[in-house]
Amino acid sequence: QKEVEQDPGPLSVPEGAIVSLNCTYSNSAFQYFMWYRQYSRKGPELLMYTYSSGNKEDGRFTAQVDKSSKYISLFIRDSQPSDSATYLCAMTRSTSGTYKYIFGTGTRLKVLA
Amino acid sequence: DTEVTQTPKHLVMGMTNKKSLKCEQHMGHRAMYWYKQKAKKPPELMFVYSYEKLSINESVPSRFSPECPNSSLLNLHLHALQPEDSALYLCASSQRSGMNTEAFFGQGTRLTVV
Repeated sequence: QKEVEQDPGPLSVPEGAIVSLNCTYSNSAFQYFMWYRQYSRKGPELLMYTYSSGNKEDGRFTAQVDKSSKYISLFIRDSQPSDSATYLCAMTRSTSGTYKYIFGTGTRLKVLA
Repeated sequence: DTEVTQTPKHLVMGMTNKKSLKCEQHMGHRAMYWYKQKAKKPPELMFVYSYEKLSINESVPSRFSPECPNSSLLNLHLHALQPEDSALYLCASSQRSGMNTEAFFGQGTRLTVV
């Protein structure tokens, strides 16, 4: 079983829709959670980060963490064609005293005009 | 400034060549990372440097040799690579190697081994 599970998609939605992207994890040692957006052939771009359970909002993006269920979500409101990309969740845990970022497989999102 | 700069953007090398990838950040970050990413896969961690010291090597073959000359620079020296090493190589940095700290990525070097 992978430490972090994420549906690879693709997920296709019409422009203006609310998008929900999700990751589950198995290790309660994960404490810090991030969402990255990656366009084709580019490096990942940090969108959101949070460490506490609950919601964090930034513009059209809301990150949600439920540590009791080991479940995190990213919501995109009023989705645009420019949001079409792969969305990666990432989380940190300690290994031998150093922290590693563990990524989900990424969800490919297509927003149709 | 949240920029991590990687050079070159593209690299084609033969299996007998020696080349280097470079990464630079001026955010004062003290942790730097190399990742390898194949198409439609997530980034895979290769190396972590914390305060210019190698702290994690994810059992990477010795044909990949990292170097951290100072707190702003990270190199990846390549020698005798195989075609299956072709991938996007990503550098990242974070304020420190710690739990509550986010990583910033460069745009990557797209490496093709022929």
